[in-house]
Amino acid sequence: GDSVTQMEGPVTLSEEAFLTINCTYTATGYPSLFWYVQYPGEGLQLLLKATKADDKGSNKGFEATYRKETTSFHLEKGSVQVSDSAVYFCAVITGANSKLTFGKGITLSVRP
Amino acid sequence: DTAVSQTPKYLVTQMGNDKSIKCEQNLGHDTMYWYKQDSKKFLKIMFSYNNKELIINETVPNRFSPKSPDKAHLNLHINSLELGDSAVYFCASSPQGNMNTEAFFGQGTRLTVV
Repeated sequence: GDSVTQMEGPVTLSEEAFLTINCTYTATGYPSLFWYVQYPGEGLQLLLKATKADDKGSNKGFEATYRKETTSFHLEKGSVQVSDSAVYFCAVITGANSKLTFGKGITLSVRP
Repeated sequence: DTAVSQTPKYLVTQMGNDKSIKCEQNLGHDTMYWYKQDSKKFLKIMFSYNNKELIINETVPNRFSPKSPDKAHLNLHINSLELGDSAVYFCASSPQGNMNTEAFFGQGTRLTVV
């Protein structure tokens, strides 16, 4: 079945630092890839997505590029803010099984 | 208007009780899901319904029984609650499960079994 591997956390950064969160996946067919964010005490919100190879998803200063050759979808932001402190999940879905599969999530804390 | 709404938000109950969590979506989506998030934030799919029909049933104890009276509702009933059932349960929906589209999540129900 599909699987997603995220880098181990937690991650603590100072405000305005550069962020990279690694994500790799295994999936059959032509998956779509997502990053979700979970702020403290809240549900999951879609942050960005990419539906085919070389697509770049972007939102709120975050970016991720669908790399089929390396089966990766790394999340980046050039300058993080305290308000970005949250748990970030990489996820994959393929039409074959209609199942959105998540990575383990990584907690990001940004210090002022 | 809340797109995917779950009730209750918090649920504290004793071992052995039976409880239900309700979920409704007003997005007109065909597919609905239940996910369980454990204390380490790991999310695992439990069930998926498409137009009221069960399409995914992961390895979940049969004490958990989903019910979909119509495609806008997917409720989760849990019998004989155990301590290990304590978690946050998320309902989600997507336009059509086989279209590789994102899912929209509710705010979660934090279940605590004491």
